[in-house]
Amino acid sequence: DVKVTQSSRYLVKRTGEKVFLECVQDMDHENMFWYRQDPGLGLRLIYFSYDVKMKEKGDIPEGYSVSREKKERFSLILESASTNQTSMYLCASSEPDRGVYGYTFGSGTRLTVV
Amino acid sequence: AQKITQTQPGMFVQEKEAVTLDCTYDTSDPSYGLFWYKQPSSGEMIFLIYQGSYDQQNATEGRYSLNFQKARKSANLVISASQLGDSAMYFCAMFPFTGGGNKLTFGTGTQLKVEL
Repeated sequence: DVKVTQSSRYLVKRTGEKVFLECVQDMDHENMFWYRQDPGLGLRLIYFSYDVKMKEKGDIPEGYSVSREKKERFSLILESASTNQTSMYLCASSEPDRGVYGYTFGSGTRLTVV
Repeated sequence: AQKITQTQPGMFVQEKEAVTLDCTYDTSDPSYGLFWYKQPSSGEMIFLIYQGSYDQQNATEGRYSLNFQKARKSANLVISASQLGDSAMYFCAMFPFTGGGNKLTFGTGTQLKVEL
């Protein structure tokens, strides 16, 4: 019954590495989102996408990029990982009209950059 | 821009008691939606309840109810008859129906601990 899948639950990467976080949804949703979650800061939007090959910056896009080549897959890329990108990353998807259920979230990827 | 404020970083409640988690919001949009999510220690975000800004009645879902006071811009979550399994982080969130795209804005969360 899994609907939004994030490829890794835990990741440890070295400073300067290029990191890919993958997210796949099987609900045919048009909208997909990447958030990062930090204690005391809640969830902050990094990037989102309304359609294939479309992307828009969220509130904290610096140091990140995204790719959406297929409708079901939305990748978050850390071009050169830094220790301040250690965080929990949450992917979500939604229908264009959102509905009363808002987003469907993945289980999160806890990334540690050392 | 939208802003969600949750002023209670942590809350304790006795099992079987009711608890209210506070949420205030700020938006210039005339119509919007308000959500509450639960995040257990396992990390997944679980949708709890939704309130539309034009809904006349407060939303309820089982033991969850949303105390919506539009003039005060508050959307507090009330959990009745707390259970040990309610221990989790709770997030209030909103999106505007116009001008804000499909973006949910979240508060900083409240960590709820239910005690025996």
